[in-house]
Amino acid sequence: GAGVSQTPSNKVTEKGKYVELRCDPISGHTALYWYRQSLGQGPEFLIYFQGTGAADDSGLPNDRFFAVRPEGSVSTLKIQRTERGDSAVYLCASSLKVRDEQYFGPGTRLTVT
Amino acid sequence: GENVEQHPSTLSVQEGDSAVIKCTYSDSASNYFPWYKQELGKGPQLIIDIRSNVGEKKDQRIAVTLNKTAKHFSLHITETQPEDSAVYFCAACYTGRRALTFGSGTRLQVQP
Repeated sequence: GAGVSQTPSNKVTEKGKYVELRCDPISGHTALYWYRQSLGQGPEFLIYFQGTGAADDSGLPNDRFFAVRPEGSVSTLKIQRTERGDSAVYLCASSLKVRDEQYFGPGTRLTVT
Repeated sequence: GENVEQHPSTLSVQEGDSAVIKCTYSDSASNYFPWYKQELGKGPQLIIDIRSNVGEKKDQRIAVTLNKTAKHFSLHITETQPEDSAVYFCAACYTGRRALTFGSGTRLQVQP
């Protein structure tokens, strides 16, 4: 079946601009995760949704980052006033509610110029 | 919080040889340990995982071992093939939290 999809695959924006990154999880997966991966490093946890609510947002670096999942399926990661340090690959993963296994999408490469 | 260290950072082997990647974790509450393979330009792909109630798990050429006392776990790939070349990440979490903490990755190159 279809895996996790993320759009856009690449996003270039200017410093100070607002961006939205979209994640479409595997059908039937109620848990959704956002991670950020800088070059040469492992993914770092940002936020986790169980259904529509954020169950754990402890990884969000500051209040410029926000994520929503209004209908319990698609999620949008929103970054305000982007900074060059926000440049990274943003990964989304999903899992079944009671399972540990997380399946990742291809990521969105964000470049802030 | 959890901290995961991974070694080596790079590993080069000849086709057909075995490869071993090792990770240590800090939080004794962690009970789930997945391994991911990431190819260039792609997202991490789950290849095998292990839970703290078992010491070893195998899936064809891939195996993972876990030593809870020492808080370390390892990935073993036998009969390596060129298509095994990729970056491999270990991770850890405990079921209650769900957020994975990843190691820094191992770049495996299998020479034909």
